[in-house]
Amino acid sequence: DQQVKQNSPSLSVQEGRISILNCDYTNSMFDYFLWYKKYPAEGPTFLISISSIKDKNEDGRFTVFLNKSAKHLSLHIVPSQPGDSAVYFCAASRSVGGSQGNLIFGKGTKLSVKP
Amino acid sequence: EAQVTQNPRYLITVTGKKLTVTCSQNMNHEYMSWYRQDPGLGLRQIYYSMNVEVTDKGDVPEGYKVSRKEKRNFPLILESPSPNQTSLYFCASSLSWAGVGQYFGPGTRLTVT
Repeated sequence: DQQVKQNSPSLSVQEGRISILNCDYTNSMFDYFLWYKKYPAEGPTFLISISSIKDKNEDGRFTVFLNKSAKHLSLHIVPSQPGDSAVYFCAASRSVGGSQGNLIFGKGTKLSVKP
Repeated sequence: EAQVTQNPRYLITVTGKKLTVTCSQNMNHEYMSWYRQDPGLGLRQIYYSMNVEVTDKGDVPEGYKVSRKEKRNFPLILESPSPNQTSLYFCASSLSWAGVGQYFGPGTRLTVT
């Protein structure tokens, strides 16, 4: 059973507009969430994270929102740039309970930003 | 330059021939981990290590072994590779645990025939 779900395999956005990537999780024990970006032929790159004590975290053009009651998080990219075109992975972890090393990834969303 | 290195980058082998993929980091990170990426399945964790001599299973550990004898190295061992282990493998490291952003290596593409 998938614990972290990214239901949109792909997303296409116009340059300058907002990109919104969504992620849902089923395990209420997750308390840390991360987004990674991956270009072809490269390893993933850490983008931004959020802990469950917050509902928003911002870093430049990237903002992650967390809705714990809905078990949903989203990554907003504003404004979107062609260089943002990549596959974005959502991931979740637990900070307690002996599972601090375990990281669960979603299947990814391929973002295409059109000039 | 801070980095995670993996070797080899590409490998084609035959069923049953033992192989090792090496992973090394130069950031003095305590946490290291191995993942495999398959089409339609995203990234799945194979094994992780919270520190030297401490390793634990991820979500898909079957058919793999790891060791963490020193902080900088975390080799992935396939004792008897099978075609279903054909995949793209990534090693990663971070300061402390999985919830801290990890540095990923460039990947090793393994084909088992």
